Amino acid sequence: EPEVTQTPSHQVTQMGQEVILRCVPISNHLYFYWYRQILGQKVEFLVSFYNNEISEKSEIFDDQFSVERPDGSNFTLKIRSTKLEDSAMYFCARIVVQAGDYGYTFGSGTRLTVV
Amino acid sequence: DAKTTQPPSMDCAEGRAANLPCNHSTISGNEYVYWYRQIHSQGPQYIIHGLKNNETNEMASLIITEDRKSSTLILPHATLRDTAVYYCIVSPRDDKIIFGKGTRLHILP
Repeated sequence: EPEVTQTPSHQVTQMGQEVILRCVPISNHLYFYWYRQILGQKVEFLVSFYNNEISEKSEIFDDQFSVERPDGSNFTLKIRSTKLEDSAMYFCARIVVQAGDYGYTFGSGTRLTVV
Repeated sequence: DAKTTQPPSMDCAEGRAANLPCNHSTISGNEYVYWYRQIHSQGPQYIIHGLKNNETNEMASLIITEDRKSSTLILPHATLRDTAVYYCIVSPRDDKIIFGKGTRLHILP
């Protein structure tokens, strides 16, 4: 059963445009993560988000990127001015902190194509 | 950077057990061993994890050596649907996970 839903599944945008990728986890999630995967390359960590604040970010996550949880449920990744090299699969992941926790659940991803 | 070493690819005959090795000689005491897989371009899928004891679930078994410097993921009866890239990851609980290149497992009919 899907526990992390990502929308849209595919987004095509022109270079320089802003995009917002959305993640809809189950409401009791505390930790959220964004990862990306450029075609043919490994999955890369972008940012972690805990209790409505960024807890850690990678070098990839520069000023062009931002994350927020605007309404307490949706979890968004925004790219302000897309570049061709932002074309990738973007995955949202969640972890629940409780006894018996057993790892990350990833969404099915958003394929971002910048043209 | 990933703290694990895995073979880049492996083959396994359908119906046989697939044994995927992983070296993590610099693992710290608070780090767990996690295994994930990625089928084509889908999101990574959690398989199993362990700290120092061997673990088994409905998908796989995880064998961790006594010194914790290596582990083996066992898929007991591999099927064609198990063809994927398998990632061995060491990480403290609740911390971000860093993916390496993994092992590309081919299940042969």
